[in-house]
Amino acid sequence: EAGVTQSPTHLIKTRGQQATLRCSPISGHTSVYWYQQALGLGLQFLLWYDEGEERNRGNFPPRFSGRQFPNYSSELNVNALELEDSALYLCASSSGTNANQPQHFGDGTRLSIL
Amino acid sequence: AQTVTQSQPEMSVQEAETVTLSCTYDTSESDYYLFWYKQPPSRQMILVIRQEAYKQQNATENRFSVNFQKAAKSFSLKISDSQLGDAAMYFCAYTGNQFYFGTGTSLTVIP
Repeated sequence: EAGVTQSPTHLIKTRGQQATLRCSPISGHTSVYWYQQALGLGLQFLLWYDEGEERNRGNFPPRFSGRQFPNYSSELNVNALELEDSALYLCASSSGTNANQPQHFGDGTRLSIL
Repeated sequence: AQTVTQSQPEMSVQEAETVTLSCTYDTSESDYYLFWYKQPPSRQMILVIRQEAYKQQNATENRFSVNFQKAAKSFSLKISDSQLGDAAMYFCAYTGNQFYFGTGTSLTVIP
């Protein structure tokens, strides 16, 4: 069974640009979660999508947004990039609409802002 | 606001020995779940163990067990018979209306 896949592996941008990160969940999983893992800060919850709808979002500004497609894959968009956006962005997926299901993580996208 | 605190940034254990990783959380919710995840170096984060808050019985998974103290809002992870492959960053996580992770504990296993 293929796991959660994320692309690209690395992404280098400059301040003010926009970044798009992609995630494909495990087959059969309908929920996708996005996290930011900055050095020394653990994982910070960004967004939760299920069945194409945004179910919840963390304490991040509106320039962090995303969507979920009919095939349950997801995009995370970050507009007006700032230096502090440099981090590992992890995507996870789970089955069902219950937020208490264990999450399965991808390898992440390393976003570097120059 | 809900928070998850892991007060031990680094821990070490001798191979075959037992180690306990600490986690405390703060919440006003009554229905929630707690998780321990493991992130080996340069590898994917994987689930170690899960605890439902409404269950008094502590969860166990082979060599991994938890000590869940709901009143104290404490959720520690015990690893018995530590193996070299247990070396990783361990994250405690809380799921209620939102998702909160601790800052992690880096576990070193000494041969």
